[in-house]
Amino acid sequence: DGGITQSPKYLFRKEGQNVTLSCEQNLNHDAMYWYRQDPGQGLRLIYYSQIVNDFQKGDIAEGYSVSREKKESFPLTVTSAQKNPTAFYLCASSPQGSGNTIYFGEGSWLTVV
Amino acid sequence: GQNIDQPTEMTATEGAIVQINCTYQTSGFNGLFWYQQHAGEAPTFLSYNVLDGLEEKGRFSSFLSRSKGYSYLLLKELQMKDSASYLCALTGGGNKLTFGTGTQLKVEL
Repeated sequence: DGGITQSPKYLFRKEGQNVTLSCEQNLNHDAMYWYRQDPGQGLRLIYYSQIVNDFQKGDIAEGYSVSREKKESFPLTVTSAQKNPTAFYLCASSPQGSGNTIYFGEGSWLTVV
Repeated sequence: GQNIDQPTEMTATEGAIVQINCTYQTSGFNGLFWYQQHAGEAPTFLSYNVLDGLEEKGRFSSFLSRSKGYSYLLLKELQMKDSASYLCALTGGGNKLTFGTGTQLKVEL
């Protein structure tokens, strides 16, 4: 089945650790995105990529890093510089061009312990 | 920048009709999306408006007025499973979505 797969579903991070969230899509979409959602709030854009080997910062990129070496993969690293990383992280993808529906993965819960 | 406002919470009765409003201030956008999100799950696409007017899809309809900076999502024949958060989002260059904070809808018997 086509779709967007995020892993892990639940992740615990110790203070000072970097962690990487995986996002893979087999929809042949050019564009991929990472959003963060805090309880009771809307989604905020962290990074997005419109094409392989290129990506841009979103509204809250500080403390995060990404790579886009393959069309189907867009991993997000939450670095130790991100002081408040506990949140629900959503990966999404869409065909290139405005107005195309953006499809979301099932999300990953990250908790700092 | 873009500023998007939605009511935080709404309550409605099963079988009724509810209208969820979204107002925005922006210098420009390509279109407006509505998504549904159940707690702890991914948002799912409901509708997309580019032109002013009403788009109808079964029990759900969405309306856009660019001149008034206003959209609404209309849900008819409410069912208990419609209890969820409803997210309004504007799409700009690069197909980036900017989301409102969402409206938590509770459907009661």
